[in-house]
Amino acid sequence: RKEVEQDPGPFNVPEGATVAFNCTYSNSASQSFFWYRQDCRKEPKLLMSVYSSGNEDGRFTAQLNRASQYISLLIRDSKLSDSATYLCVVKVDSSYKLIFGSGTRLLVRP
Amino acid sequence: GAGVSQSPSNKVTEKGKDVELRCDPISGHTALYWYRQRLGQGLEFLIYFQGNSAPDKSGLPSDRFSAERTGESVSTLTIQRTQQEDSAVYLCASSSSGTSFPSYEQYFGPGTRLTVT
Repeated sequence: RKEVEQDPGPFNVPEGATVAFNCTYSNSASQSFFWYRQDCRKEPKLLMSVYSSGNEDGRFTAQLNRASQYISLLIRDSKLSDSATYLCVVKVDSSYKLIFGSGTRLLVRP
Repeated sequence: GAGVSQSPSNKVTEKGKDVELRCDPISGHTALYWYRQRLGQGLEFLIYFQGNSAPDKSGLPSDRFSAERTGESVSTLTIQRTQQEDSAVYLCASSSSGTSFPSYEQYFGPGTRLTVT
């Protein structure tokens, strides 16, 4: 079983739609969680951290469910520029290592 | 300021040749990471440097792969006797330190696209 699992998609949605991605992780010692964004043929970049109480950054909302060991990312009012692959990332505290999921691909169409 | 840079951006090599990939991290970042990303797949951890030491080499797929870092700066990933399955994008990332946020946020370079023919 992979340490971090994501639905590869693609999620194909119209502009303005709301879309949500989930991610599950296997290591219950995981303590820090992130979403990274990777555009086609580009390097990954940090989108947002995920806090225990959930957090919002503009149109993006991240949630964490420790009991079920999953993380979610909600994107409201999708823009064409949101088209990318979204990588779920976990970190076990006291470790330097980030564990990346394989990513969920989002396509926003006009 | 300058981000992480990698060279070359693209490398095409024949099977059996050796290749060297270079990473220049953000100045002052003590932690440096190498990843491999095959087409359509996620990031595969290869090796981690703290300063010039590599406390975790567990991701290196075989003894054909090696890496070094000097001056707590530049790192080189070397692949000897390349095979076709080595074809991938090799990404380097750096962070200011290992363990406490935001210092462990990893900043990625643009990657080196390696094609072994």
